[in-house]
Amino acid sequence: GAVVSQHPSWVICKSGTSVKIECRSLDFQATTMFWYRQFPKQSLMLMATSNEGSKATYEQGVEKDKFLINHASLTLSTLTVTSAHPEDSSFYICSASGAGLNTEAFFGQGTRLTVV
Amino acid sequence: AQTVTQSQPEMSVQEAETVTLSCTYDTSENNYYLFWYKQPPSRQMILVIRQEAYKQQNATENRFSVNFQKAAKSFSLKISDSQLGDTAMYFCAFDGSGNTGKLIFGQGTTLQVKP
Repeated sequence: GAVVSQHPSWVICKSGTSVKIECRSLDFQATTMFWYRQFPKQSLMLMATSNEGSKATYEQGVEKDKFLINHASLTLSTLTVTSAHPEDSSFYICSASGAGLNTEAFFGQGTRLTVV
Repeated sequence: AQTVTQSQPEMSVQEAETVTLSCTYDTSENNYYLFWYKQPPSRQMILVIRQEAYKQQNATENRFSVNFQKAAKSFSLKISDSQLGDTAMYFCAFDGSGNTGKLIFGQGTTLQVKP
C-alpha cells in the first residue's frame, strides 16, 4: 500500500511555544489529508480536513487559530500547535488519500506531543 | 449526524478460537464505506477489512470477515483462529463523505488474545 510518513514521532515542548508536525505522502499525490487527535485508549477524533492549495476545513469545536494546518503541496501537510499548553498533550495522527487509490486513507505513524 | 458505536470496550479470546466484535452506525446516506482498523501498541493504524455498502456480499480477508447488515446498520468483525498478534485495539470506521477517506471512528474495542 501507499506510504505516509509523519514526523516527528514524539516531541516534548515547553508551555507557550509552538510545535510543527509534518505529514508526507511518499509515493503518491495526496489530494486530501486529514488530521486526527487521540487520547489514551480512546477513539480518533477528526480535527480537520485539508485539500492541497486551499484552506483547511475544521471540525466543530477545533480552534483553527490554535491548530494551524497547511497543505501547500500534494505530498506535504503540516499541523502547527501554537502556544501549546499541557492540555494539548495528545497523540496526533494524519492520514492521506489520493486519486486512483480507491479513496483508501493511509495513516502516518502518529506523533506523541507532550507539553510541559 | 453520522455516528459509529462500538459497545464492547474490552474483549478477550483464547488463542485459536473465534471472536466477534460488534459495530453499529447511523446514517441517512445510501452509499458509504465501512472499515475495521487495527491499532497495535505501536499505535500505527492498520486497515483490516473494508466493505462497500452497495455490495451485498460480506467482505473477507483471510481470517477476518464481516457480517454486514445494511438494514440493521450493523457491521461486525469476526476473527477466526485468533493469534497472539491479533491483540490490539480495533476501530470500526465509517466513510459517508463521498468516498474521500474522511473517517468517523467508533470508540474502539480492546482485544486481548490469551495463550
